[in-house]
Amino acid sequence: NAGVTQTPKFRVLKTGQSMTLLCAQDMNHEYMYWYRQDPGMGLRLIHYSVGEGTTAKGEVPDGYNVSRLKKQNFLLGLESAAPSQTSVYFCASRRLGLAGGTGELFFGEGSRLTVL
Amino acid sequence: AQSVTQLDSQVPVFEEAPVELRCNYSSSVSVYLFWYVQYPNQGLQLLLKYLSGSTLVKGINGFEAEFNKSQTSFHLRKPSVHISDTAEYFCAVSDRAGGTSYGKLTFGQGTILTVHP
Repeated sequence: NAGVTQTPKFRVLKTGQSMTLLCAQDMNHEYMYWYRQDPGMGLRLIHYSVGEGTTAKGEVPDGYNVSRLKKQNFLLGLESAAPSQTSVYFCASRRLGLAGGTGELFFGEGSRLTVL
Repeated sequence: AQSVTQLDSQVPVFEEAPVELRCNYSSSVSVYLFWYVQYPNQGLQLLLKYLSGSTLVKGINGFEAEFNKSQTSFHLRKPSVHISDTAEYFCAVSDRAGGTSYGKLTFGQGTILTVHP
């Protein structure tokens, strides 16, 4: 059981380049999230999805796009990378529960992105 | 909107000593509270959570936390730490409203716990 898998784990980009991070979960979870982690700032929510074909903005969505074409996959795209997007990106998923916020988030191991 | 403040960015401690990692939150609605741990080069994993009921919550690896509604705090404690507890710890909240909250977590800034031999 792989849980939440992120690819790639490391990537270096030049300013203005584009890329896509892939998150795949095999737990049949409804909810999926993309966070970025920066030193001293904890994790901040970029975008999230509450089901296949749906996406919504989180706290820091600017410069990112997402898609959830399949329930098990959640893609995070950077159309024109900027140095401010240098960060560690985490994908997480959660099952649909009876009460909205009670369920545990399961995290991937992270994708470290450097934009030069 | 919610916010979470972890009062210590770094906590050094010797092995077998007790430790407390402090967390305060602010919210206009009732919340659920969580502590997550991140070991080096890994993702986050759940330590414990407070949903309702007893304000003292026990988690994995001997950790516990106490919810104090009047002080809006959720401090994490362990009576005797091990070298293997060296990690970064995150306090997080989600609101109880369900609905459009969709279980989104708001995280604190993190506390790096370093256990020295």
